[in-house]
Amino acid sequence: NAGVTQTPKFQVLKTGQSMTLQCAQDMNHEYMSWYRQDPGMGLRLIHYSVGAGITDQGEVPNGYNVSRSTTEDFPLRLLSAAPSQTSVYFCASSYSAPGPNYGYTFGSGTRLTVV
Amino acid sequence: GIQVEQSPPDLILQEGANSTLRCNFSDSVNNLQWFHQNPWGQLINLFYIPSGTKQNGRLSATTVATERYSLLYISSSQTTDSGVYFCAVEPRDTDKLIFGTGTRLQVFP
Repeated sequence: NAGVTQTPKFQVLKTGQSMTLQCAQDMNHEYMSWYRQDPGMGLRLIHYSVGAGITDQGEVPNGYNVSRSTTEDFPLRLLSAAPSQTSVYFCASSYSAPGPNYGYTFGSGTRLTVV
Repeated sequence: GIQVEQSPPDLILQEGANSTLRCNFSDSVNNLQWFHQNPWGQLINLFYIPSGTKQNGRLSATTVATERYSLLYISSSQTTDSGVYFCAVEPRDTDKLIFGTGTRLQVFP
């Protein structure tokens, strides 16, 4: 099925551990992004990419790294997990320019708890 | 940075009622989208509507870009419409889609 696939769906980390959240899309979208959603709040942009080899910071980039070596994949790395990074993480993708059926497609999310 | 405010924050309806959700934004935008987050957390794109009016079944949306607001209309609401509705905008000269605070809708039978 075409879409955005995020793994894992759930993860518990200890403070100071590192991990990578995976995101893959099979729609040949140029644009990909990562958001975090804290309880009862909207989504905040962490990092985004307008194409392979190009990444940039969003609203809340501190503590996270990204890379975009292929069009399909956009992993998010937590370097040293902190309790403040407990959240639900969403990956999204879209075409870079509006056209028929334009709009963001979201993955199902990764629920991360840092203890 | 741009401010995106949605109102009302919470809305409780009985099945069959109509509703209007509003999104105000503080600067010019290239891109405006409406999303529905269902009770299981899945985010679904409803409309891409930087200006003008679009309709999809019982839902329609209107954006008046010159006055910096957008409206989402839900007619004949159903229990499956429950969830949180987000407006998101991309300010001009950026590639960042910024989300509003959301409207939580509960529809009761």
